[in-house]
Amino acid sequence: GAVVSQHPSWVICKSGTSVKIECRSLDFQATTMFWYRQFPKQSLMLMATSNEGSKATYEQGVEKDKFLINHASLTLSTLTVTSAHPEDSSFYICSARTLRPDNEQFFGPGTRLTVL
Amino acid sequence: GENVEQHPSTLSVQEGDSAVIKCTYSDSASNYFPWYKQELGKGPQLIIDIRSNVGEKKDQRIAVTLNKTAKHFSLHITETQPEDSAVYFCAASIGSNYQLIWGAGTKLIIKP
Repeated sequence: GAVVSQHPSWVICKSGTSVKIECRSLDFQATTMFWYRQFPKQSLMLMATSNEGSKATYEQGVEKDKFLINHASLTLSTLTVTSAHPEDSSFYICSARTLRPDNEQFFGPGTRLTVL
Repeated sequence: GENVEQHPSTLSVQEGDSAVIKCTYSDSASNYFPWYKQELGKGPQLIIDIRSNVGEKKDQRIAVTLNKTAKHFSLHITETQPEDSAVYFCAASIGSNYQLIWGAGTKLIIKP
């Protein structure tokens, strides 16, 4: 199956700092990548949809200036949490959609962010 | 918009028995229905999917059925094993970007 990597797998940072999370599709090209946030024992919450070469589309309630998304190539998307605060602590997961005809989504292993 | 409901929230079955998880969706335009397995601290793993032009799909011990008229789809796991213990999510795909609308998840517990 298709492989998606995320880096780092976990990060601890101080309040007020910025953290960048990378999402890579290793063996396929992905025109669309998605960023999710997941709280303990809850379902995935879509934060934004990222299409290669264009601006990300954010879901209602997600601050685009706080969660900066860049999708510079068909295999790489980054999420930067700016001026992180403890309430941003969460499990962040990316997924990448394969090209037609399958349009399947494959997920990265997730990044655990803890803001002190 | 699309809404996906998933039941049960927790399912406990004896090892070797079958497990069934059910989902319903609201938007008849949805045409792709994947199932994901998520282990603790990991990202979801696609285990099986079905498209709206198919009624049933099977992959070894896992099967998915789709009833478009009733707008529901189900995951069936036979001969359950301890490693099947995880949280399972259903989803429905909609829109040009094939965004996934997620169910709330089912925690499957396999009792030895």
